[in-house]
Amino acid sequence: DTGVSQNPRHKITKRGQNVTFRCDPISEHNRLYWYRQTLGQGPEFLTYFQNEAQLEKSRLLSDRFSAERPKGSFSTLEIQRTEQGDSAMYLCASSLNGSGNTIYFGEGSWLTVV
Amino acid sequence: RKEVEQDPGPFNVPEGATVAFNCTYSNSASQSFFWYRQDCRKEPKLLMSVYSSGNEDGRFTAQLNRASQYISLLIRDSKLSDSATYLCVVWSGGFKTIFGAGTRLFVKA
Repeated sequence: DTGVSQNPRHKITKRGQNVTFRCDPISEHNRLYWYRQTLGQGPEFLTYFQNEAQLEKSRLLSDRFSAERPKGSFSTLEIQRTEQGDSAMYLCASSLNGSGNTIYFGEGSWLTVV
Repeated sequence: RKEVEQDPGPFNVPEGATVAFNCTYSNSASQSFFWYRQDCRKEPKLLMSVYSSGNEDGRFTAQLNRASQYISLLIRDSKLSDSATYLCVVWSGGFKTIFGAGTRLFVKA
């Protein structure tokens, strides 16, 4: 399977702890996105990479959130000092430049902060 | 006003029915349009792109009206397996892929 891969799929953490999610995009895709989705809402944009450059960050992405994409391949999303409001599904997606921006999602990483 | 707006539903229809969803978008410069399907607690999956001339894929037909800035999805002969949330998606260039909140469909026997 050469789709977008995310791990861990589920994470339960105590408030105040740090968590990190990893995303491996489709190999030839140069664009990578992180979204967050809560119940009853569509995915909300968090951040975007073109190759290794982080070109855009949503205002939803507070200082406790950081994302990296070293070498333009996999990406990590770290949340520091987690809060209950961070509980959500974190979706990674990738696309190929020039494809009309059809994006493909990974299965998501569910975060529950207790 | 949200950039992409959809009726959240739910739409409850019997098997075999025809059902249509609309979606409106606010950015007149939007370039590409899509419908995604999302099952409960799963990731969104591309259902179909929406072309200016309209397009059909089996029981599914998508239409784009740029003048009125709306997109539609028509599902004919609904199946139980069509029960899902349908997300309207608009790309305005660069990173700006914006998702609607989704329309919930329940198809009942």
